[in-house]
Amino acid sequence: AQKITQTQPGMFVQEKEAVTLDCTYDTSDPSYGLFWYKQPSSGEMIFLIYQGSYDQQNATEGRYSLNFQKARKSANLVISASQLGDSAMYFCALGSSGSARQLTFGSGTQLTVLP
Amino acid sequence: DSGVTQTPKHLITATGQRVTLRCSPRSGDLSVYWYQQSLDQGLQFLIQYYNGEERAKGNILERFSAQQFPDLHSELNLSSLELGDSALYFCASSGVSGGANSHEQYFGPGTRLTVT
Repeated sequence: AQKITQTQPGMFVQEKEAVTLDCTYDTSDPSYGLFWYKQPSSGEMIFLIYQGSYDQQNATEGRYSLNFQKARKSANLVISASQLGDSAMYFCALGSSGSARQLTFGSGTQLTVLP
Repeated sequence: DSGVTQTPKHLITATGQRVTLRCSPRSGDLSVYWYQQSLDQGLQFLIQYYNGEERAKGNILERFSAQQFPDLHSELNLSSLELGDSALYFCASSGVSGGANSHEQYFGPGTRLTVT
């Protein structure tokens, strides 16, 4: 069974500062992927970043980077230079790499960026 | 805009009724996934189709069913609706299995279902 844990229900960060959102996972699959999604108050789910379990380097997409520590089973999202528009719910998700690629989501972290 | 479309955006119906939610995946994507987001259960995977065939099943109730048509659009049918079925239903799509970036799932805007 796959499990994703996000232990921070809410986080605050000052505008222009960096913030780290925590995510730990558990899976018995030898190959898997980790995802982060952003859900603003409008409700849509926006794909941010992906990390494959065999990727040698940590994934980066603009201001987003994924701090992947395989031995610790953690996949933290780092947002640099926070902006007011970053205020949203952030979900970490775990997916298998087989033909059935459904995602298992964590409970989410509500990030609020303060001016 | 993810390229995934869902209709309708909002749906209000009564208990015991049946509704159909529709999803069109991104152009070229063969996989469609359905997820349910509710306050008490969070985001849960319901079912996946790949090129018209059911590929994986999650916590989908027997009252719910889905299919994917030859043009790759998908429908989720919810019947004998209960108050607890009120939720945001998302459809997501991903590319050809094994292809570049095929693991990335892009979500539609969701259908908000309210059962009264």
